[in-house]
Amino acid sequence: ETGVTQSPTHLIKTRGQQVTLRCSSQSGHNTVSWYQQALGQGPQFIFQYYREEENGRGNFPPRFSGLQFPNYSSELNVNALELDDSALYLCASSLAPRRGETQYFGPGTRLLVL
Amino acid sequence: GESVGLHLPTLSVQEGDNSIINCAYSNSASDYFIWYKQESGKGPQFIIDIRSNMDKRQGQRVTVLLNKTVKHLSLQIAATQPGDSAVYFCAENNGANNLFFGTGTRLTVIP
Repeated sequence: ETGVTQSPTHLIKTRGQQVTLRCSSQSGHNTVSWYQQALGQGPQFIFQYYREEENGRGNFPPRFSGLQFPNYSSELNVNALELDDSALYLCASSLAPRRGETQYFGPGTRLLVL
Repeated sequence: GESVGLHLPTLSVQEGDNSIINCAYSNSASDYFIWYKQESGKGPQFIIDIRSNMDKRQGQRVTVLLNKTVKHLSLQIAATQPGDSAVYFCAENNGANNLFFGTGTRLTVIP
C-alpha cells in the first residue's frame, strides 16, 4: 500500500453532469498529480498541484479542473461530463515536483458516464 | 510532446523463466524513465527507474537497460513468478515530474 487514498472507488454519472473526485496524499507529500486511464491504455497526465497551485497541465480541456488544500489533499472536478470521460482516474503524490521524485499512486476512482 | 510506446501488447512466459519487456521512446531529450507495474484493480506501482547517464540499473530480480542510441529501454524480470502477472508500463518523467506513459504490456505467467 502506498498511503495514497482516493474516493469514491466507483461512480456512475450521466452525460452533462459534474463530478468531484478526491485524493489524500501520502504523509509528507506536497505534490499531487492526476491521471486519466482509459480501458486498455496507459495513464494520461491531466495536471499537477504543488502547494495549492496548478503546476503543469496535460492536454485536457478546461472543464477538467482541480484544487489542492492546505493539508495537500486534492480534488479533481470534471464539468459537462462526456461519454469519453469514462475511465479510471488516478492520483499520485510525491515529495516534490522534481524529476526523480517517485510518484506513489492511489487505487483510482472508476468513473462510468452513461 | 513526449511519446513513449511499447513493442508488444502481451507477453506470456513460463514460471521460472526470465521476462523481457521492451519500450521505445521518441524524444531524444528524454533523460529519466520509470517502470511501473499495475495489477488488476490497483494503481501503478513503482518498480525501478533509470537516468540517461546510466545504461543499466538493477533491482531485486529486475534489471532495466537503456539504449539511448536507438531510444529503447527494456525491463528484465528474472525467474518470473505468478505474482509478476500484471500490466507493465514504461513512463518518461519530464523536468516537472510529470509522467508520460506508454500503452503497456500485459505479462502473463504460466504455472
